[in-house]
Amino acid sequence: AQSVAQPEDQVNVAEGNPLTVKCTYSVSGNPYLFWYVQYPNRGLQFLLKYITGDNLVKGSYGFEAEFNKSQTSFHLKKPSALVSDSALYFCAVSRNTGFQKLVFGTGTRLLVSP
Amino acid sequence: EAEVAQSPRYKITEKSQAVAFWCDPISGHATLYWYRQILGQGPELLVQFQDESVVDDSQLPKDRFSAERLKGVDSTLKIQPAELGDSAMYLCASARGEDRRGETQYFGPGTRLLVL
Repeated sequence: AQSVAQPEDQVNVAEGNPLTVKCTYSVSGNPYLFWYVQYPNRGLQFLLKYITGDNLVKGSYGFEAEFNKSQTSFHLKKPSALVSDSALYFCAVSRNTGFQKLVFGTGTRLLVSP
Repeated sequence: EAEVAQSPRYKITEKSQAVAFWCDPISGHATLYWYRQILGQGPELLVQFQDESVVDDSQLPKDRFSAERLKGVDSTLKIQPAELGDSAMYLCASARGEDRRGETQYFGPGTRLLVL
């Protein structure tokens, strides 16, 4: 069975500083990995995904994520945080066979202070 | 930019009543998903459709929940009777369904249900 762990309930960072939101995964075979962002009372918004190829994936709004197979991690990063980045971030994993089924982590709240 | 539509956005109901949620996926998307997101948790898949067929409903509480996608386009999720523990955000998502390898799912704004 596939699973995702987001070890931090909340990450605090000052505006202009780099941010990292951690994610580790467990899945049989090669994983498909996703990051989504959720603003209050809204649905999930796709940020980026890893399917294959380059381990560094670039996505929307300046976010990027690094796939590390040996550490089974897919951490989300941004070089310079904005106050508007404050939101709830979800990592998700999907198996690479059959119908796609996303399994989400519990989420990490990112708080960027001015 | 095409979006997934959901209605209503908010629903308050009393225990034992019936509720229904509607979802209209992005045009042309063959795959449709219903997720439940309990406050403070990540979304959990309830049911997945490929066109009008259910391909995964293993996590759907079938004694009270039902879902249909009769013409393979829009979908309805029903709860009857509602219980207090059903209070959650119900999210609909869709994907093209053409290439199963790492397809992106696009989410609607959700329906927040409160059962009193």
